[in-house]
Amino acid sequence: AQTVTQSQPEMSVQEAETVTLSCTYDTSENNYYLFWYKQPPSRQMILVIRQEAYKQQNATENRFSVNFQKAAKSFSLKISDSQLGDTAMYFCAFMKPANTGNQFYFGTGTSLTVIP
Amino acid sequence: DTGVSQNPRHKITKRGQNVTFRCDPISEHNRLYWYRQTLGQGPEFLTYFQNEAQLEKSRLLSDRFSAERPKGSFSTLEIQRTEQGDSAMYLCASSLVRGAYNEQFFGPGTRLTVL
Repeated sequence: AQTVTQSQPEMSVQEAETVTLSCTYDTSENNYYLFWYKQPPSRQMILVIRQEAYKQQNATENRFSVNFQKAAKSFSLKISDSQLGDTAMYFCAFMKPANTGNQFYFGTGTSLTVIP
Repeated sequence: DTGVSQNPRHKITKRGQNVTFRCDPISEHNRLYWYRQTLGQGPEFLTYFQNEAQLEKSRLLSDRFSAERPKGSFSTLEIQRTEQGDSAMYLCASSLVRGAYNEQFFGPGTRLTVL
């Protein structure tokens, strides 16, 4: 079974500052994918960033980057130059490969507030 | 709008009633997923379809729950004899399987409140 743990229920950051959200996971799979999703108050899930487990290089998408430590099963999200629009619930998620379903396993989320 | 749509967006029902939700995936997406999200939690996988075939069901999907995707396009999720514990957001997602990874696109969800 796959489990995803987010140990920070709530976090806050000053606008323009940098914040890091933590995530750990447990799996016996070797091939998988990791994600960070954003869920604003409107509740629509939005993909922030994706990491393939077979890639050693950390993924980056504009102000968002990850620190992927496969041996430690750790997958943290760094948001640089935080903006008010980053205020949302952030979910870390694990995905199995397509031949085993591609379904997600989500953590419990971290509520991020960007303070003006 | 070519995204995933879900109807209704909100449903209030009394305990013991049956409810049905609908999900329309992105056109030509062959996989469709249902998740349930309770307050303060992340979405939990319920079931998924590849075309019209239901390939996996979570243990969370009790006998009161049934999902269908009769023509491989839209899907319905029915809950019979609703209980207060069924109150949650029900999310649908779809993807087009082309490789080992296939991005899932989420709908806005249907919020169910059981009184």
